[in-house]
Amino acid sequence: NAGVTQTPKFQVLKTGQSMTLQCAQDMNHEYMSWYRQDPGMGLRLIHYSVGAGITDQGEVPNGYNVSRSTTEDFPLRLLSAAPSQTSVYFCASSATTGAFYGYTFGSGTRLTVV
Amino acid sequence: KQEVTQIPAALSVPEGENLVLNCSFTDSAIYNLQWFRQDPGKGLTSLLLIQSSQREQTSGRLNASLDKSSGRSTLYIAASQPGDSATYLCAVRGGTSYGKLTFGQGTILTVHP
Repeated sequence: NAGVTQTPKFQVLKTGQSMTLQCAQDMNHEYMSWYRQDPGMGLRLIHYSVGAGITDQGEVPNGYNVSRSTTEDFPLRLLSAAPSQTSVYFCASSATTGAFYGYTFGSGTRLTVV
Repeated sequence: KQEVTQIPAALSVPEGENLVLNCSFTDSAIYNLQWFRQDPGKGLTSLLLIQSSQREQTSGRLNASLDKSSGRSTLYIAASQPGDSATYLCAVRGGTSYGKLTFGQGTILTVHP
């Protein structure tokens, strides 16, 4: 099925550990982005990319790195996990040309940092 | 900076009622507006997308309207069912096809049998 695939679905990290959240889409979308969702804070943009090799910061980028070497993949790296990064992370993609410009979201990664 | 507000924050209705969820945004220079549904512990499912040049979109029992000049959108749900219970999120996309998505806080809908 076409869509956005995120792995893993659940993860527990210890403070200071690093990890990469994977995101892949098979819709040939140029635009990809990462959001975090926290109670009372809603969905906030972490990083985004408008195409392979191009990334930029969103609203809450500190503690996270991204790269975009292919159109399909947009991994999110936590450099040194902190309890404040406990959240649900969503990857999303969107076309920038064509008929449908809506966002498609992955099913999310629930991350707990202890 | 774009700000999106959804009213009410929570809504509880008996099955069969027609209901309206409201969304307002501060910057009218949007590219489009998208309504999502989120079930507890799940991802976001797109319900309706309205381009800035459109006034409304319909899908089954759902109808979304957009008044860009006043910064408002409504999601109308006809003949509500218990399966409609979820959080409904409104999101606006900035002024181009590369624009970022800004979300409201959502409306938690509960439909009682």
